[in-house]
Amino acid sequence: DAGVTQSPTHLIKTRGQQVTLRCSPISGHKSVSWYQQVLGQGPQFIFQYYEKEERGRGNFPDRFSARQFPNYSSELNVNALLLGDSALYLCASRNRDYEQYFGPGTRLTVT
Amino acid sequence: AQSVTQLDSQVPVFEEAPVELRCNYSSSVSVYLFWYVQYPNQGLQLLLKYLSGSTLVKGINGFEAEFNKSQTSFHLRKPSVHISDTAEYFCAVSAPYNTDKLIFGTGTRLQVFP
Repeated sequence: DAGVTQSPTHLIKTRGQQVTLRCSPISGHKSVSWYQQVLGQGPQFIFQYYEKEERGRGNFPDRFSARQFPNYSSELNVNALLLGDSALYLCASRNRDYEQYFGPGTRLTVT
Repeated sequence: AQSVTQLDSQVPVFEEAPVELRCNYSSSVSVYLFWYVQYPNQGLQLLLKYLSGSTLVKGINGFEAEFNKSQTSFHLRKPSVHISDTAEYFCAVSAPYNTDKLIFGTGTRLQVFP
């Protein structure tokens, strides 16, 4: 079975711009979570969606938003980009055994 | 709220030697515990998990971890490491009522030398 997929792989944006990151979960997984991993740190929880509803939100500003589609894929949007938003953005989907499986991530660079 | 402390930022070890990566957690409620590995320029791969039951859990690639409730620890061990085990290792916790919110430690860089 295919794992979690994310697109694009890399992205370079300018301060003030907006970005959309995409994620497709493992088939059968209904829960999708997003994490931000700054270089040298562990991932930080941003959002969790289950059955198209937001079920959890981390300590991130309102510039960050997300949604989940009927096919359980998800998008993460970040508005008004700041230099500090440069990071690896990870998407994970969860199975019924409480195991989260991560995608390869999207490397966002803000210049 | 939960938190995780990984006491060692880097652990150098020679090939075929044993290794232990330390993880301590803090929580006012019971927790689920996980270890993930991250190879360069890749996402995270689940090594093992502890939900309940036996405190010694075995994972992939020969790794195992032991849950110690009194010491609030979940240390990762491998009896004999390989060069290919060189990677970043993350300990994570979640509350049973919110299993999708993983709280990660800052990671331990395992460097295996020939």
